[in-house]
Amino acid sequence: IAGITQAPTSQILAAGRRMTLRCTQDMRHNAMYWYRQDLGLGLRLIHYSNTAGTTGKGEVPDGYSVSRANTDDFPLTLASAVPSQTSVYFCASSPGTSGSEQFFGPGTRLTVL
Amino acid sequence: GQNIDQPTEMTATEGAIVQINCTYQTSGFNGLFWYQQHAGEAPTFLSYNVLDGLEEKGRFSSFLSRSKGYSYLLLKELQMKDSASYLCAVRDGDYKLSFGVGTTVTVRA
Repeated sequence: IAGITQAPTSQILAAGRRMTLRCTQDMRHNAMYWYRQDLGLGLRLIHYSNTAGTTGKGEVPDGYSVSRANTDDFPLTLASAVPSQTSVYFCASSPGTSGSEQFFGPGTRLTVL
Repeated sequence: GQNIDQPTEMTATEGAIVQINCTYQTSGFNGLFWYQQHAGEAPTFLSYNVLDGLEEKGRFSSFLSRSKGYSYLLLKELQMKDSASYLCAVRDGDYKLSFGVGTTVTVRA
C-alpha cells in the first residue's frame, strides 16, 4: 500500500515556466489538500478539494491552480513560476469525516530561479 | 481566519518532560491536531482533541481547553529521536487545517 505519493521529489525550474506537481493517493480519501511550507511561516494551505469534482481556495492560492477529475489524483499547477514560489510542497488527504487526521505525502522541493 | 501561536524553539534533556503550548483564536473550531515533523520529512499525526480534557497516548499526551483557546502537547521520558518540529493545527468546520509555525524541540544527551 503506497498511501500518498508525490512527484517529482525535487525540481529546479526557470522563472516563467509552467510546472505541474503530481499527487496520488490510494486510500480512497474524499478530501485532498495542497500546502506549501516555508521557514518561519509554517504550513499554509494553497488549494483543497472536499470531494472529486470540487475544489476550493486556501490561504495562498494566487499563482496556483488545481483540478480533481477523480478521487485519487490532485495535481497542482504553477502556470508561470516565480522565485517566491520556491518552497517545499506537501500534498495531503483525509477521509473527510469528523475526527479524521490528514495524511501527508513526502513532499516536493521546488526551486524557481 | 485562524491565529495560532506556539513557541519556535525548546530544548530539553533526554529522559525529561517537555510541554509545548499552543494558543489559538478562530472563527470556527472543529478540533485541534498535533503533528510531528522530522527535518526533511512529512508531518505525521500525533493526536487529536475536540473535547476539553487530556488525551494520553503512550509517552505523548495532549490537552485542550476550548474556552481558553489553549492546548498543550506533553512529551514524557524524552528520547533523542523526539528531536523534531511539533505542529499545532486547528480545523475549521470545512475540514481545513490552519497550522502554527511549529516548535522545534532539541533533545540533548
